[in-house]
Amino acid sequence: IAGITQAPTSQILAAGRRMTLRCTQDMRHNAMYWYRQDLGLGLRLIHYSNTAGTTGKGEVPDGYSVSRANTDDFPLTLASAVPSQTSVYFCASSAGTASGANVLTFGAGSRLTVL
Amino acid sequence: GQNIDQPTEMTATEGAIVQINCTYQTSGFNGLFWYQQHAGEAPTFLSYNVLDGLEEKGRFSSFLSRSKGYSYLLLKELQMKDSASYLCAVTDSNYQLIWGAGTKLIIKP
Repeated sequence: IAGITQAPTSQILAAGRRMTLRCTQDMRHNAMYWYRQDLGLGLRLIHYSNTAGTTGKGEVPDGYSVSRANTDDFPLTLASAVPSQTSVYFCASSAGTASGANVLTFGAGSRLTVL
Repeated sequence: GQNIDQPTEMTATEGAIVQINCTYQTSGFNGLFWYQQHAGEAPTFLSYNVLDGLEEKGRFSSFLSRSKGYSYLLLKELQMKDSASYLCAVTDSNYQLIWGAGTKLIIKP
């Protein structure tokens, strides 16, 4: 089934630990994104990648890093987790980039709790 | 700053019609999206408007007025499965998506 796979689905993590959220898509989409979703707030962009080999910072990039070694994979790493990073994380992709008509396809989300 | 406003929560009755409003103030405009998100699930695409007017897609319609910075999502013949959050998002002049906080729609029998 074409789409986006995220792992893990849910994770409880001690503060200070390193964590990588995995994201893989099989749609050959050029652009990929990482968002966090917190209650009462809109989706906030953490990092994005317009094409393999390039990445960019979104609205809330501090404490997170990404890489895009190939078209399909876009992992998000928390180098040293803090409680404020407790959130639901969504990976998304789109076929193109600089177009107002880019429809995003989202993964099922990763719920992360940092204690 | 950039801002998208939509009501936090709305309640409607099964079989009825509901209109969810969205107002926006952004740096430029390159389109407006509506996404549906069921609790605990990922957002899924509903509609896209870039020109003024009404776009109809089955039971769902979306309207845009660029001069007023305003859109609405109209849901007809409401079904229980329409209980979800509805997210409004605008693409700005840099093709960045700006998201509203979402409207939680509760459908009662």
